[in-house]
Amino acid sequence: SQQGEEDPQALSIQEGENATMNCSYKTSINNLQWYRQNSGRGLVHLILIRSNEREKHSGRLRVTLDTSKKSSSLLITASRAADTASYFCATDAKGGATNKLIFGTGTLLAVQP
Amino acid sequence: DTAVSQTPKYLVTQMGNDKSIKCEQNLGHDTMYWYKQDSKKFLKIMFSYNNKELIINETVPNRFSPKSPDKAHLNLHINSLELGDSAVYFCASSRGTGVAYEQYFGPGTRLTVT
Repeated sequence: SQQGEEDPQALSIQEGENATMNCSYKTSINNLQWYRQNSGRGLVHLILIRSNEREKHSGRLRVTLDTSKKSSSLLITASRAADTASYFCATDAKGGATNKLIFGTGTLLAVQP
Repeated sequence: DTAVSQTPKYLVTQMGNDKSIKCEQNLGHDTMYWYKQDSKKFLKIMFSYNNKELIINETVPNRFSPKSPDKAHLNLHINSLELGDSAVYFCASSRGTGVAYEQYFGPGTRLTVT
C-alpha cells in the first residue's frame, strides 16, 4: 500500500525562488529518502534522513523530518531551471518489511527561467 | 561509466508476446531491484534480489519472472504480455538490503503493449 504522499502535486516557480515540497506518511519509519526524477530518466537519490534526525542539508537542499506529524519537507533554495523534475519521498514501514522502499506520489516541480 | 544500465530503452510489442529486459550494474552492489512506474508516475517495487537470491516478491502476476545470473545482472522476463503491462520498468541497485541504503536507478525501459 502507498506510504508517502507528496504535496503539492505540482509546483511552478521562477528561477531564484525557493521550492518547498512536503511528504506525509502513514506508519512509523526507520528512514526517509528523497529522490529526483528528470523527465524520461531514472530516479536519482538526493538525501536520506533517519528517524532520529530532524534536519539534513546537502548543498541547496534542506530536508526536515517531523516524526510526530509523520511528515517531511524538502526545500530547494535558489532554484534553477535544471531543478525542473519530479521529486519523490520514499520510506520503509517500521515493523513491516524493512527491506523495501515505498515511494510517494511525487511533486512535479517546474522552474521557469 | 554507466552505473546501472538497462536494455532496451524502448520496447513496443503486441499482446501475447514474450519479452525480456536486461539490467546490469557495475557498482559492485549486492542488491538489485525491479520497479514498475505507471502512467501517473506511481513507482512500485516488483522484485528484489540479494546476492542472486530473491528477497522481495511483491504481488506480481506470475507472467513476470526475474532472473539473476550473477550479482551484477538482473533480468526480467514477461510472458503473454497484456495491455496493462505498458509502463516504464526501472532496475535499481543498492549496496545492501534494507532501506538505509540509497538506491541507484537505471534509465528505464518504456514498454508499450499494443
